[in-house]
Amino acid sequence: TQLLEQSPQFLSIQEGENLTVYCNSSSVFSSLQWYRQEPGEGPVLLVTVVTGGEVKKLKRLTFQFGDARKDSSLHITAAQPGDTGLYLCAGASIMYSGGGADGLTFGKGTHLIIQP
Amino acid sequence: GAVVSQHPSWVICKSGTSVKIECRSLDFQATTMFWYRQFPKQSLMLMATSNEGSKATYEQGVEKDKFLINHASLTLSTLTVTSAHPEDSSFYICSARDASVGGNEQFFGPGTRLTVL
Repeated sequence: TQLLEQSPQFLSIQEGENLTVYCNSSSVFSSLQWYRQEPGEGPVLLVTVVTGGEVKKLKRLTFQFGDARKDSSLHITAAQPGDTGLYLCAGASIMYSGGGADGLTFGKGTHLIIQP
Repeated sequence: GAVVSQHPSWVICKSGTSVKIECRSLDFQATTMFWYRQFPKQSLMLMATSNEGSKATYEQGVEKDKFLINHASLTLSTLTVTSAHPEDSSFYICSARDASVGGNEQFFGPGTRLTVL
């Protein structure tokens, strides 16, 4: 069973501060995705990282995939109240071959609150 | 693009009744859809993988006779919670893969909140 440890679980900071969310595993993933979920809604895909060492930027959000494809981080610069939400990392199995598909393994999520 | 819908958004039912939840990919074809459940303040847990034209694959600990899955077309999968009980109350979310695109990106529906009285 592949497990993803996500930290921190809860984070409350002031507007304008920076933060980093971590997603770690002992397993290798073929790809890793970050989602943001609002209460009562489904997760919305933010980014997919595939290559070890890959860095992707989405405005004030920077995503990094570890060299060994076992871990990832999400860094938010100058956080805004609109960034408040549940952030989820999810890994796709290394066994995924393209001929079929595997469900994603989700981390427990990081509840982020940005106070104005 | 890549829009997934779910119906209903929420449902309240009596204990012992069955409830059907639909998951549709609106602008793409999905040979594979996934069903997750999420309890309050927790993450998503994969319940089963729904394959068009074949039987669903259930995760360990998920009763296939309790959670019936039918993937009758490339755009529709249904999850039926049979003889629902209060402990089945949860947020059920489906996701779908775009069959025309490589990789394992999944697009999620808005979820269905089930409350069993």
